[in-house]
Amino acid sequence: GENVGLHLPTLSVQEGDNSIINCAYSNSASDYFIWYKQESGKGPQFIIDIRSNMDKRQGQRVTVLLNKTVKHLSLQIAATQPGDSAVYFCAEEAAGNKLTFGGGTRVLVKP
Amino acid sequence: GAVVSQHPSRVICKSGTSVKIECRSLDFQATTMFWYRQFPKQSLMLMATSNEGSKATYEQGVEKDKFLINHASLTLSTLTVTSAHPEDSSFYICSAVRRGGFRSDTQYFGPGTRLTVL
Repeated sequence: GENVGLHLPTLSVQEGDNSIINCAYSNSASDYFIWYKQESGKGPQFIIDIRSNMDKRQGQRVTVLLNKTVKHLSLQIAATQPGDSAVYFCAEEAAGNKLTFGGGTRVLVKP
Repeated sequence: GAVVSQHPSRVICKSGTSVKIECRSLDFQATTMFWYRQFPKQSLMLMATSNEGSKATYEQGVEKDKFLINHASLTLSTLTVTSAHPEDSSFYICSAVRRGGFRSDTQYFGPGTRLTVL
């Protein structure tokens, strides 16, 4: 089957700096993507989503970029804070609301 | 925002016993819920789709007779791990789909249930 994948398993970032997490997807038919944050021992928490008819969407301190040409998705976190330390997953939604998750990237914020 | 709860949050059981995990949507109705399994340092893997009033749909490789799913109402789905073995030890997470709204269908996740089989 086709998968959503991530390149970087761990990202260390200095507090206050910006973070960029990348995700590659292979299903060109996917039209809805979501980023989730998962803290240790908890369920995934919705961060931001984007549909394929957009290439950028901004939220509070977060921006998602979608490049359909190269099937690449990224999450940018501005002014990273200690509370941003977590594992981040991208996911693509297929028919019937079924989600396929990427491998995950751990973000470690250094004080 | 929408809230999804799971009970219990943590369970330890002996090998060969069965364990039931509940997933509830607290402030919305969910005709569709999903069950995921997550092993340590790995991603979430979809196990099955739970539909209210009908049989669950299982992903390839997931034994339907071992992981019994019952979507009893629009706010409750249960996952029963039958004859549990140590390899079933994992973090089980459910999600519930809320229809409509600004973002169209939105999937909300429960806090997860940590199952340890001794």
